[in-house]
Amino acid sequence: AQKITQTQPGMFVQEKEAVTLDCTYDTSDPSYGLFWYKQPSSGEMIFLIYQGSYDQQNATEGRYSLNFQKARKSANLVISASQLGDSAMYFCAMRDANSGGYQKVTFGTGTKLQVIP
Amino acid sequence: NAGVTQTPKFQVLKTGQSMTLQCAQDMNHNSMYWYRQDPGMGLRLIYYSASEGTTDKGEVPNGYNVSRLNKREFSLRLESAAPSQTSVYFCASSEAMGHLGDEQYFGPGTRLTVT
Repeated sequence: AQKITQTQPGMFVQEKEAVTLDCTYDTSDPSYGLFWYKQPSSGEMIFLIYQGSYDQQNATEGRYSLNFQKARKSANLVISASQLGDSAMYFCAMRDANSGGYQKVTFGTGTKLQVIP
Repeated sequence: NAGVTQTPKFQVLKTGQSMTLQCAQDMNHNSMYWYRQDPGMGLRLIYYSASEGTTDKGEVPNGYNVSRLNKREFSLRLESAAPSQTSVYFCASSEAMGHLGDEQYFGPGTRLTVT
């Protein structure tokens, strides 16, 4: 069974500092995809970044990067130069073939990030 | 492009009442999903539709039914609402199921309270 674990319910970071949000996953499938989504207080879910299990390089999208450590089964999100607008809930998610042909995405419980001016 | 739209945004029901949550996407996506979000539990998949004409159960389907009306629209029906169905409901769509990196686009959510 696939599983996503986010152990940090809440975190604080000073504006302009970098922050790492932890995510570990569990799957027996060698082919899987990892996603991070942002949910601001307004409620919508916004896709941030994707990492495939066979990707050689860590994914990056602007100020977001994914620290992918396959052997440790971790996919931590790094936000550089934090901004006040980064204050939100962040969800890690995974899709693998065990979910019936990559049909399901399993989400973690989220980490609430607050950026302090 | 409106992306994924959901109606209504808020709803209060009494136990036993029924209602349908509407979802539409204008991105010509093949796959659509319904999730519920409860505090401390992340998002859980209720039902999904890989393509027009097909629907399948997700993780928590009990008490719900769905209809994929056409490629654009995917509705979620609560036949007899229960307080345990108080939640925020999200509709999502993606280009094509079966692709590992297929990202999902979410609607703004419907906040449902069942008293």
